[in-house]
Amino acid sequence: KAGVTQTPRYLIKTRGQQVTLSCSPISGHRSVSWYQQTPGQGLQFLFEYFSETQRNKGNFPGRFSGRQFSNSRSEMNVSTLELGDSALYLCASSLGYLAEGAHEQYFGPGTRLTVT
Amino acid sequence: AQKVTQAQTEISVVEKEDVTLDCVYETRDTTYYLFWYKQPPSGELVFLIRRNSFDEQNEISGRYSWNFQKSTSSFNFTITASQVVDSAVYFCALSEVGYGGSQGNLIFGKGTKLSVKP
Repeated sequence: KAGVTQTPRYLIKTRGQQVTLSCSPISGHRSVSWYQQTPGQGLQFLFEYFSETQRNKGNFPGRFSGRQFSNSRSEMNVSTLELGDSALYLCASSLGYLAEGAHEQYFGPGTRLTVT
Repeated sequence: AQKVTQAQTEISVVEKEDVTLDCVYETRDTTYYLFWYKQPPSGELVFLIRRNSFDEQNEISGRYSWNFQKSTSSFNFTITASQVVDSAVYFCALSEVGYGGSQGNLIFGKGTKLSVKP
């Protein structure tokens, strides 16, 4: 079974631009979550999508948004990029939505975003 | 408030030594899950174990073992006879699924960087 895939793997953008990251979950998984990893803040939860609906959201500004398609693939968008948005963005998929508690999350390799 | 603390920032051992990675958590939920993930240099988080709050049995998987103690809110991870391939950053995480709006997302500790030298 193929794992979680994320594209692109690396991205360089300048301040003020916007960026879209993509995540394809494991086949059959309907929940996709996004996490941001930085040296200072560590791993922080961004949001979760399940059946094309945002189920849960972390404490990030509205510049961070996402969506999920009917095939469970998800995209994350960051508008008006700031230097502090430089991070590794990890996507995770699970069978069911997280609040059920019964499902492990499997992570993709991440997208390394650098904002200059 | 929910929190996961991994007090050991970095640990360095020599191959074949045993090593224990500490994890202490805080939660007000009675229903929660605890996880350990491994992050090798490639960056991908690799799932190691999940334990729910009602199951305090310790678990062993090969050279890996986990000790869950609710009385001390700890979920420690031991690697026996460490190997160079164990070098990675290890994260402990908490997922709350009880009452009070808990949504199940992972709350991570800051991670412990383990270096195993030959």
